Amino acid sequence: TQLLEQSPQFLSIQEGENLTVYCNSSSVFSSLQWYRQEPGEGPVLLVTVVTGGEVKKLKRLTFQFGDARKDSSLHITAAQPGDTGLYLCAGEEVQGAQKLVFGQGTRLTINP
Amino acid sequence: KAGVTQTPRYLIKTRGQQVTLSCSPISGHRSVSWYQQTPGQGLQFLFEYFSETQRNKGNFPGRFSGRQFSNSRSEMNVSTLELGDSALYLCASSLDRTGGTGELFFGEGSRLTVL
Repeated sequence: TQLLEQSPQFLSIQEGENLTVYCNSSSVFSSLQWYRQEPGEGPVLLVTVVTGGEVKKLKRLTFQFGDARKDSSLHITAAQPGDTGLYLCAGEEVQGAQKLVFGQGTRLTINP
Repeated sequence: KAGVTQTPRYLIKTRGQQVTLSCSPISGHRSVSWYQQTPGQGLQFLFEYFSETQRNKGNFPGRFSGRQFSNSRSEMNVSTLELGDSALYLCASSLDRTGGTGELFFGEGSRLTVL
């Protein structure tokens, strides 16, 4: 099974600051998804990136898939308290079973 | 449309008991996946069912099993519970995974505590 490592695992910053979350692997994925999970709820899909080098923007969130499709990043500009949550990256394996492999997550806290 | 529904939301069991969790996917979704979420391990894939057949399986012991019914509803069972089985069990449905990338729609989870 391919592994995904997210960093940092915990991040607490002030409102208005910028931040970047990383999702890395030594393996290639056919696609990568980012989810956000809030307390008491299941994860909700934010974006899917498929092509190496692809960049997608969702308001103040920018997602990038690495050129080699082994890593991804999530950048948040001017973070807001509403961005607080657990951010999960999930990669779809290239070979074998087509299941999503999840990173351990980044728990983000934005302080007012 | 209604989202993914998991029951029960919370339950407490003792070691050695068994538990059955239920998941009703979004109408029209034929794929159902189960994940175990713990603070230390994150989301770990248990298994996926599609059209009543187990299509993928994670690296969990045989105590963890599941099934899917003709209406796409799914159940998972854990027998001979251990303390380490305490976790949030998440069910996710999707339209069809055969084409590759598919969005997973998660339920709110069933939080199992084993005493």
